[in-house]
Amino acid sequence: EAQVTQNPRYLITVTGKKLTVTCSQNMNHEYMSWYRQDPGLGLRQIYYSMNVEVTDKGDVPEGYKVSRKEKRNFPLILESPSPNQTSLYFCASSLLGSGGFSNNEQFFGPGTRLTVL
Amino acid sequence: SQQGEEDPQALSIQEGENATMNCSYKTSINNLQWYRQNSGRGLVHLILIRSNEREKHSGRLRVTLDTSKKSSSLLITASRAADTASYFCATNRDDKIIFGKGTRLHILP
Repeated sequence: EAQVTQNPRYLITVTGKKLTVTCSQNMNHEYMSWYRQDPGLGLRQIYYSMNVEVTDKGDVPEGYKVSRKEKRNFPLILESPSPNQTSLYFCASSLLGSGGFSNNEQFFGPGTRLTVL
Repeated sequence: SQQGEEDPQALSIQEGENATMNCSYKTSINNLQWYRQNSGRGLVHLILIRSNEREKHSGRLRVTLDTSKKSSSLLITASRAADTASYFCATNRDDKIIFGKGTRLHILP
């Protein structure tokens, strides 16, 4: 089954304790992306990756890191989480369209609800 | 910054009626996509319309795009209880993808 998986689905942690949220897709997609969703703000892109070893900042990258060492995996790293990073996080992937842009539908993971105390 | 902005923010209609949601954006785009999200779950892609298209249909969904006005509309015909969800438009800005804040649609029995 074609899917995007995220782990963990729920996480409660404390300020400053490094954490990683994993994301994996089995569709051989080039484009992968992380979003956070907050009430009243919709989804905001954190980081995206056009392919292996190619990552770039979205609109809200502060406090986050990513890596793309393999095509299927795109982990989100919070080196020193803070309470303002409490949010619902989504990973998504898609094929790349012509011209290098993501001109195709995105497939979303089920989400990770993170609480930072 | 938010590229896409949907309106209304919330919409309640009777089952069987049509629902229309609008999306406005600020800069030129490659395509515009509509997604649905059931409460707290992942988004599901509904339809993609490219910048050189003006209208697209998929089942009970009809999407229009007016690039001169930088706006799009999503029409859901003959609404059903299962259509209750949040609906988001998303646009490309270079390689970035920008989502609007969404329209919460509630279908009343």
